[in-house]
Amino acid sequence: GDSVTQMEGPVTLSEEAFLTINCTYTATGYPSLFWYVQYPGEGLQLLLKATKADDKGSNKGFEATYRKETTSFHLEKGSVQVSDSAVYFCALINNNDMRFGAGTRLTVKP
Amino acid sequence: ETGVTQTPRHLVMGMTNKKSLKCEQHLGHNAMYWYKQSAKKPLELMFVYNFKEQTENNSVPSRFSPECPNSSHLFLHLHTLQPEDSALYLCASSQDRLAEQYFGPGTRLTVT
Repeated sequence: GDSVTQMEGPVTLSEEAFLTINCTYTATGYPSLFWYVQYPGEGLQLLLKATKADDKGSNKGFEATYRKETTSFHLEKGSVQVSDSAVYFCALINNNDMRFGAGTRLTVKP
Repeated sequence: ETGVTQTPRHLVMGMTNKKSLKCEQHLGHNAMYWYKQSAKKPLELMFVYNFKEQTENNSVPSRFSPECPNSSHLFLHLHTLQPEDSALYLCASSQDRLAEQYFGPGTRLTVT
């Protein structure tokens, strides 16, 4: 079946550092891809999405590009802030099913 | 009120109690979901409702009983729970099964 694999955390960075969280997927056909973020004590929030190959999703300084050739959707941000500390989930939708990765905890230190 | 709301936000219950979790979405969506989020475990999909009809039950124990009276409301009725059922229970909704899901803030459940 379809699945999502993302890098294990936790990831700890200093403020203004560059962030990459890797995500790869296994799916038949052409899934839509998503990144969600979960701040402490809250539910998951949709961060960005891409629905076809080579699409780039972006929001709040975060970006991810749908790479079909490498089946990847890596999340990047050029300069992280303390307020970006959260758990990030990569996800896909394919054939009416949504699959989530295990989540990557990011801590940004001042 | 906008988005997806859940009540209560926190719940402590004994193993012999009966309680219900409530979810309401104000987005005009047609699909609603219950998820269980436990520490150090992946997000677990429990139930799916599409146009008020239950379309998925992922081997959830019968002590969890969902109810979807209309497309805006979703309940999770709880009875005779076990301590391992303590978790964050998240409700989500989407326009349809192919669209992205929007989540509520969750109910933190503790079973004593």
